[in-house]
Amino acid sequence: GAVVSQHPSWVICKSGTSVKIECRSLDFQATTMFWYRQFPKQSLMLMATSNEGSKATYEQGVEKDKFLINHASLTLSTLTVTSAHPEDSSFYICSASGTASSPLHFGNGTRLTVT
Amino acid sequence: AQSVTQPDIHITVSEGASLELRCNYSYGATPYLFWYVQSPGQGLQLLLKYFSGDTLVQGIKGFEAEFKRSQSSFNLRKPSVHWSDAAEYFCAVVTNTGNQFYFGTGTSLTVIP
Repeated sequence: GAVVSQHPSWVICKSGTSVKIECRSLDFQATTMFWYRQFPKQSLMLMATSNEGSKATYEQGVEKDKFLINHASLTLSTLTVTSAHPEDSSFYICSASGTASSPLHFGNGTRLTVT
Repeated sequence: AQSVTQPDIHITVSEGASLELRCNYSYGATPYLFWYVQSPGQGLQLLLKYFSGDTLVQGIKGFEAEFKRSQSSFNLRKPSVHWSDAAEYFCAVVTNTGNQFYFGTGTSLTVIP
Protein backbone atom coordinates (compact mmCIF):
# COMPACT_ATOMS: atom_id res chain seq x y z
CA GLY A 1 0.00 0.00 0.00
CA ALA A 2 0.86 3.63 -0.23
CA VAL A 3 3.40 4.79 2.29
CA VAL A 4 4.07 8.24 3.63
CA SER A 5 7.35 8.74 5.41
CA GLN A 6 7.73 11.53 7.92
CA HIS A 7 11.05 12.55 9.36
CA PRO A 8 12.15 13.05 12.05
CA SER A 9 9.94 11.07 14.39
CA TRP A 10 10.85 13.29 17.27
CA VAL A 11 12.97 16.37 17.76
CA ILE A 12 13.98 18.51 20.70
CA CYS A 13 15.15 22.02 19.99
CA LYS A 14 15.94 25.18 21.87
CA SER A 15 13.65 28.15 21.86
CA GLY A 16 14.41 30.50 18.98
CA THR A 17 15.76 27.88 16.62
CA SER A 18 14.07 26.53 13.50
CA VAL A 19 13.07 22.95 12.84
CA LYS A 20 12.32 21.32 9.49
CA ILE A 21 10.01 18.34 9.17
CA GLU A 22 9.89 16.31 5.98
CA CYS A 23 6.98 14.40 4.53
CA ARG A 24 7.61 12.06 1.63
CA SER A 25 5.28 9.89 -0.41
CA LEU A 26 7.34 6.81 -1.13
CA ASP A 27 5.43 4.96 -3.83
CA PHE A 28 2.99 7.44 -5.28
CA GLN A 29 2.84 11.02 -6.43
CA ALA A 30 1.08 13.34 -4.04
CA THR A 31 -0.29 16.39 -5.73
CA THR A 32 -1.67 17.57 -2.43
CA MET A 33 -0.22 17.24 1.04
CA PHE A 34 -1.68 18.33 4.33
CA TRP A 35 -0.12 19.32 7.60
CA TYR A 36 -1.92 18.76 10.87
CA ARG A 37 -1.15 19.60 14.44
CA GLN A 38 -2.36 17.57 17.35
CA PHE A 39 -2.37 18.75 20.93
CA PRO A 40 -2.40 16.13 23.69
CA LYS A 41 -5.69 14.26 23.87
CA GLN A 42 -7.22 16.37 21.11
CA SER A 43 -8.08 15.81 17.50
CA LEU A 44 -6.02 16.74 14.53
CA MET A 45 -6.29 20.34 13.44
CA LEU A 46 -5.55 21.11 9.83
CA MET A 47 -2.81 23.71 9.58
CA ALA A 48 -2.34 24.05 5.85
CA THR A 49 -2.81 22.46 2.48
CA SER A 50 0.12 22.40 0.13
CA ASN A 51 -0.09 21.79 -3.58
CA GLU A 52 2.94 20.88 -5.61
CA GLY A 53 4.45 23.92 -7.26
CA SER A 54 2.23 26.51 -5.64
CA LYS A 55 1.89 28.35 -2.37
CA ALA A 56 0.34 26.61 0.57
CA THR A 57 -3.12 27.50 1.78
CA TYR A 58 -3.17 28.14 5.50
CA GLU A 59 -6.10 27.69 7.81
CA GLN A 60 -7.37 30.62 9.78
CA GLY A 61 -5.23 31.37 12.77
CA VAL A 62 -2.11 29.63 11.47
CA GLU A 63 0.83 31.97 11.00
CA LYS A 64 2.26 31.42 7.56
CA ASP A 65 5.50 33.17 8.42
CA LYS A 66 6.02 30.90 11.38
CA PHE A 67 5.06 27.63 9.74
CA LEU A 68 6.75 27.65 6.35
CA ILE A 69 5.56 24.99 3.95
CA ASN A 70 7.30 24.01 0.78
CA HIS A 71 6.00 21.42 -1.70
CA ALA A 72 8.68 21.49 -4.35
CA SER A 73 8.05 18.05 -5.83
CA LEU A 74 5.29 15.49 -6.11
CA THR A 75 6.91 13.37 -3.41
CA LEU A 76 8.16 15.85 -0.85
CA SER A 77 6.63 18.53 1.35
CA THR A 78 8.43 20.22 4.21
CA LEU A 79 7.19 22.13 7.23
CA THR A 80 9.63 24.49 8.90
CA VAL A 81 8.76 25.81 12.33
CA THR A 82 10.67 29.07 12.51
CA SER A 83 11.85 30.68 15.73
CA ALA A 84 10.26 27.91 17.73
CA HIS A 85 8.81 28.60 21.15
CA PRO A 86 7.68 26.18 23.87
CA GLU A 87 4.05 26.68 22.86
CA ASP A 88 4.92 25.21 19.46
CA SER A 89 5.62 21.90 21.15
CA SER A 90 3.15 19.49 19.66
CA PHE A 91 2.65 16.44 17.48
CA TYR A 92 2.75 17.29 13.79
CA ILE A 93 1.36 14.88 11.22
CA CYS A 94 1.44 15.08 7.47
CA SER A 95 -0.81 13.35 5.01
CA ALA A 96 -0.86 12.96 1.27
CA SER A 97 -3.47 12.15 -1.29
CA GLY A 98 -3.48 11.90 -5.02
CA THR A 99 -7.19 12.47 -5.52
CA ALA A 100 -10.24 13.48 -3.52
CA SER A 101 -11.65 9.97 -3.53
CA SER A 102 -8.60 8.15 -2.24
CA PRO A 103 -8.15 8.14 1.49
CA LEU A 104 -5.36 10.23 2.82
CA HIS A 105 -2.21 8.40 3.75
CA PHE A 106 -0.65 9.61 6.95
CA GLY A 107 2.88 9.82 8.15
CA ASN A 108 3.70 8.56 11.62
CA GLY A 109 4.03 12.06 12.95
CA THR A 110 6.77 14.18 14.49
CA ARG A 111 6.89 14.94 18.18
CA LEU A 112 8.37 18.42 18.57
CA THR A 113 9.55 19.58 21.98
CA VAL A 114 10.83 23.13 22.33
CA THR A 115 12.80 23.81 25.49
CA ALA B 1 -20.35 23.99 7.37
CA GLN B 2 -19.11 20.47 7.62
CA SER B 3 -18.50 18.98 11.05
CA VAL B 4 -17.93 15.68 12.75
CA THR B 5 -19.09 14.83 16.24
CA GLN B 6 -17.89 11.98 18.39
CA PRO B 7 -20.10 12.20 21.47
CA ASP B 8 -18.05 9.84 23.61
CA ILE B 9 -14.72 11.21 24.77
CA HIS B 10 -13.73 8.05 26.58
CA ILE B 11 -15.10 4.51 26.64
CA THR B 12 -14.06 1.58 28.80
CA VAL B 13 -15.00 -1.97 27.88
CA SER B 14 -14.00 -5.40 29.08
CA GLU B 15 -11.96 -7.62 26.84
CA GLY B 16 -14.30 -9.82 24.82
CA ALA B 17 -17.20 -7.40 25.08
CA SER B 18 -18.76 -5.73 22.09
CA LEU B 19 -17.94 -2.16 21.15
CA GLU B 20 -19.72 0.68 19.41
CA LEU B 21 -18.16 4.09 18.86
CA ARG B 22 -20.48 6.82 17.71
CA CYS B 23 -19.92 9.32 14.93
CA ASN B 24 -22.29 11.92 13.55
CA TYR B 25 -21.57 14.25 10.69
CA SER B 26 -23.04 17.39 9.29
CA TYR B 27 -22.85 17.80 5.54
CA GLY B 28 -25.35 18.64 2.85
CA ALA B 29 -24.53 15.77 0.54
CA THR B 30 -23.26 12.26 1.10
CA PRO B 31 -19.70 12.60 2.29
CA TYR B 32 -16.87 10.16 2.24
CA LEU B 33 -16.54 8.70 5.74
CA PHE B 34 -13.54 7.18 7.47
CA TRP B 35 -12.50 5.69 10.75
CA TYR B 36 -8.89 5.88 11.88
CA VAL B 37 -7.09 4.45 14.89
CA GLN B 38 -4.13 6.06 16.58
CA SER B 39 -1.91 4.32 19.07
CA PRO B 40 0.01 6.50 21.54
CA GLY B 41 2.70 8.54 19.82
CA GLN B 42 1.87 7.06 16.45
CA GLY B 43 0.29 8.28 13.26
CA LEU B 44 -3.14 7.32 12.03
CA GLN B 45 -4.07 3.98 10.57
CA LEU B 46 -7.10 3.64 8.35
CA LEU B 47 -9.61 1.12 9.68
CA LEU B 48 -12.29 1.44 7.03
CA LYS B 49 -13.99 3.85 4.68
CA TYR B 50 -17.35 4.45 3.05
CA PHE B 51 -17.76 6.09 -0.33
CA SER B 52 -20.97 4.61 -1.70
CA GLY B 53 -22.83 1.34 -2.14
CA ASP B 54 -23.36 -1.12 0.70
CA THR B 55 -23.90 0.87 3.85
CA LEU B 56 -22.23 -1.74 6.04
CA VAL B 57 -18.51 -1.70 5.47
CA GLN B 58 -15.93 -4.10 6.77
CA GLY B 59 -12.51 -2.96 7.86
CA ILE B 60 -9.31 -4.32 9.25
CA LYS B 61 -8.86 -5.87 12.69
CA GLY B 62 -12.47 -7.11 12.76
CA PHE B 63 -14.05 -3.65 12.73
CA GLU B 64 -17.14 -2.68 10.78
CA ALA B 65 -19.16 0.49 10.42
CA GLU B 66 -22.62 1.28 9.19
CA PHE B 67 -23.61 4.41 7.32
CA LYS B 68 -27.09 5.60 8.20
CA ARG B 69 -28.12 8.54 6.10
CA SER B 70 -31.30 9.20 8.06
CA GLN B 71 -29.29 9.61 11.24
CA SER B 72 -26.21 11.20 9.66
CA SER B 73 -24.20 8.59 11.49
CA PHE B 74 -21.30 6.29 10.80
CA ASN B 75 -20.81 4.24 13.96
CA LEU B 76 -17.90 1.88 14.37
CA ARG B 77 -18.48 -1.57 15.83
CA LYS B 78 -16.56 -4.64 16.85
CA PRO B 79 -18.23 -7.77 18.26
CA SER B 80 -15.40 -8.76 20.59
CA VAL B 81 -12.76 -6.31 21.74
CA HIS B 82 -9.14 -7.33 22.27
CA TRP B 83 -6.73 -5.67 24.67
CA SER B 84 -4.70 -4.48 21.70
CA ASP B 85 -7.64 -2.40 20.52
CA ALA B 86 -7.00 0.16 23.25
CA ALA B 87 -6.22 3.36 21.37
CA GLU B 88 -7.70 6.63 20.16
CA TYR B 89 -10.29 6.39 17.42
CA PHE B 90 -11.10 9.21 15.04
CA CYS B 91 -14.01 9.55 12.69
CA ALA B 92 -13.41 11.73 9.66
CA VAL B 93 -15.36 13.20 6.81
CA VAL B 94 -14.10 14.41 3.50
CA THR B 95 -16.38 16.22 1.15
CA ASN B 96 -16.73 14.65 -2.25
CA THR B 97 -15.74 17.92 -3.84
CA GLY B 98 -12.39 18.34 -2.21
CA ASN B 99 -9.53 16.84 -0.31
CA GLN B 100 -10.09 18.45 3.05
CA PHE B 101 -10.66 16.18 5.97
CA TYR B 102 -12.69 17.10 9.01
CA PHE B 103 -11.83 15.07 12.05
CA GLY B 104 -13.89 14.37 15.11
CA THR B 105 -12.33 15.02 18.49
CA GLY B 106 -11.69 11.34 18.99
CA THR B 107 -12.80 8.62 21.39
CA SER B 108 -10.27 7.08 23.73
CA LEU B 109 -10.84 3.37 24.24
CA THR B 110 -9.65 1.55 27.34
CA VAL B 111 -9.89 -2.22 27.46
CA ILE B 112 -10.09 -3.93 30.84
CA PRO B 113 -8.61 -7.44 31.05
